[in-house]
Amino acid sequence: NAGVTQTPKFQVLKTGQSMTLQCAQDMNHNSMYWYRQDPGMGLRLIYYSASEGTTDKGEVPNGYNVSRLNKREFSLRLESAAPSQTSVYFCASSEAGGGIDEQFFGPGTRLTVL
Amino acid sequence: GDSVTQMEGPVTLSEEAFLTINCTYTATGYPSLFWYVQYPGEGLQLLLKATKADDKGSNKGFEATYRKETTSFHLEKGSVQVSDSAVYFCTTGGGNKLTFGTGTQLKVEL
Repeated sequence: NAGVTQTPKFQVLKTGQSMTLQCAQDMNHNSMYWYRQDPGMGLRLIYYSASEGTTDKGEVPNGYNVSRLNKREFSLRLESAAPSQTSVYFCASSEAGGGIDEQFFGPGTRLTVL
Repeated sequence: GDSVTQMEGPVTLSEEAFLTINCTYTATGYPSLFWYVQYPGEGLQLLLKATKADDKGSNKGFEATYRKETTSFHLEKGSVQVSDSAVYFCTTGGGNKLTFGTGTQLKVEL
């Protein structure tokens, strides 16, 4: 089992460019999450999907969109990147909804917006 | 909303020293409590968890006890190793999400 995979590992964008971060899990988990990690701020939830076909906003959703493509895949899109979106992005999944079950994390995508 | 406060790092210890990383939380209801660990260049992984008051989570020599009366979940290890060097996140879980502390970097030197 690969667990949670993310692509790409690194990306550099110019302000205003768009891109999609891909995430896939092979553990048959129902719930998936996108976080960003910034120095001194821990992880902050951007969006989550409690089950296939549903998505909800987290703590910092502005400037992002998500798609739960199927049970395995959950993508994060930046329509018009801004320097404030420079961060490390983590995808995670869990068997059931967030607060009780262990979440499994991918290796992260390091994004720089110039 | 929920919040987590943990001691700032970096914490630098010699190998075989005793480790304590303090963590306190505020939350409504009865959250689950977790410690996640992040090794350099990797994603987070669960280290241990406790789901109710007075539960003790343990793994790889690390322990933490859910103290409802003091709203704390301090992480301890009796003898750290160089391989324990990482960032440790205290985390509460409730509703649909986890709330992470800001992380404490641990450096263990020979």
